[in-house]
Amino acid sequence: DQQVKQNSPSLSVQEGRISILNCDYTNSMFDYFLWYKKYPAEGPTFLISISSIKDKNEDGRFTVFLNKSAKHLSLHIVPSQPGDSAVYFCAASANGGFGSARQLTFGSGTQLTVLP
Amino acid sequence: ETGVTQTPRHLVMGMTNKKSLKCEQHLGHNAMYWYKQSAKKPLELMFVYNFKEQTENNSVPSRFSPECPNSSHLFLHLHTLQPEDSALYLCASSLSPSGSPNIQYFGAGTRLSVL
Repeated sequence: DQQVKQNSPSLSVQEGRISILNCDYTNSMFDYFLWYKKYPAEGPTFLISISSIKDKNEDGRFTVFLNKSAKHLSLHIVPSQPGDSAVYFCAASANGGFGSARQLTFGSGTQLTVLP
Repeated sequence: ETGVTQTPRHLVMGMTNKKSLKCEQHLGHNAMYWYKQSAKKPLELMFVYNFKEQTENNSVPSRFSPECPNSSHLFLHLHTLQPEDSALYLCASSLSPSGSPNIQYFGAGTRLSVL
């Protein structure tokens, strides 16, 4: 069963408006959350992260909000630009324990299309 | 030179072939990863290497054989694959596999088709 879910496979937004991408998780041991962006024919690139001890992290036009009680996070992009059109992946990680890797668990992605 | 380079970008192979995927990172990282991404599915972690030692193998079939000769290079040797192994194979690297939040940097991937 998927521990990280992105229930919207696609989202279309007008240029200049806000894009909101959502992500839900089930594992309460996750303590870091990351967003990646992927253009066609390129690998995913890191966008922004948030620790579970925070509820908001902002970097320029990108803000991630975390609601731990609801096990939900969202990525806000404002204002949206056509160059933001890409697949956005939510990922979560938990401490793997001594000697173990901190693995990233990914969602299946949301295709964002920003219309000019 | 980009941070993480994967070759080839595309590969078509028969079920009896043997081929290898190559990954090279120029970021000075110590950890390297192989992921598989099938259509409309999340990225699935296959292998983790830390300082060229394998630390994780997520129940991957033995027809996939990784090799990490040093911290900058990672290979995935393929033999007797099945059509369901057709997918995008992504390599990633990070400074340390146990660091927080373990930001990983990805290559562009190899699109593999098994006939």
